[in-house]
Amino acid sequence: NAGVTQTPKFQVLKTGQSMTLQCAQDMNHEYMSWYRQDPGMGLRLIHYSVGAGITDQGEVPNGYNVSRSTTEDFPLRLLSAAPSQTSVYFCASTPGQFYEQYFGPGTRLTVT
Amino acid sequence: GQQVMQIPQYQHVQEGEDFTTYCNSSTTLSNIQWYKQRPGGHPVFLIQLVKSGEVKKQKRLTFQFGEAKKNSSLHITATQTTDVGTYFCAVPNAGNNRKLIWGLGTSLAVNP
Repeated sequence: NAGVTQTPKFQVLKTGQSMTLQCAQDMNHEYMSWYRQDPGMGLRLIHYSVGAGITDQGEVPNGYNVSRSTTEDFPLRLLSAAPSQTSVYFCASTPGQFYEQYFGPGTRLTVT
Repeated sequence: GQQVMQIPQYQHVQEGEDFTTYCNSSTTLSNIQWYKQRPGGHPVFLIQLVKSGEVKKQKRLTFQFGEAKKNSSLHITATQTTDVGTYFCAVPNAGNNRKLIWGLGTSLAVNP
């Protein structure tokens, strides 16, 4: 079991560029989430999904899109990168809403 | 709106000293989870508490859930350098328990 994998590990973007952060899990978990982590701000939920074809917004969804076409994959798209999106992004999965979350290793994104 | 306060924000101890972090909620909780994040790493699940007044132990770590289910604590006895990291509590969003709300974390530094 690889658990939750994220690619890339590091990325530098210029303002206005778009990109997709990849997240995959091999645990057959229904729930998947994207968080961003900024110094002093803890973890903030961007988007989440409770199953294939179902997504919903978290606390800070603006500037990000998600889709969930399969149980395994949950990509996060930055539509037009801004310096305010410089952050560490974590993907997480869980079997259900009252179970532990399993996190990927994170993607460190810098937008210049 | 719902708030989760974690104190202290930082704690610096000598190896062998005890450490406690507290998580306080503005609303009654159905459960609370605790995670540890090592520097440069991702959050890793430690435990979930569900019952009022619950106390759980994991080796040198003791977790408590308050009688009113509005607060919780994590206590580490005789800290070691391996305890270094940030400890987060996470609670279900009262309006949508599919989402988690995270405390800002307590960063623990241990002097050898």
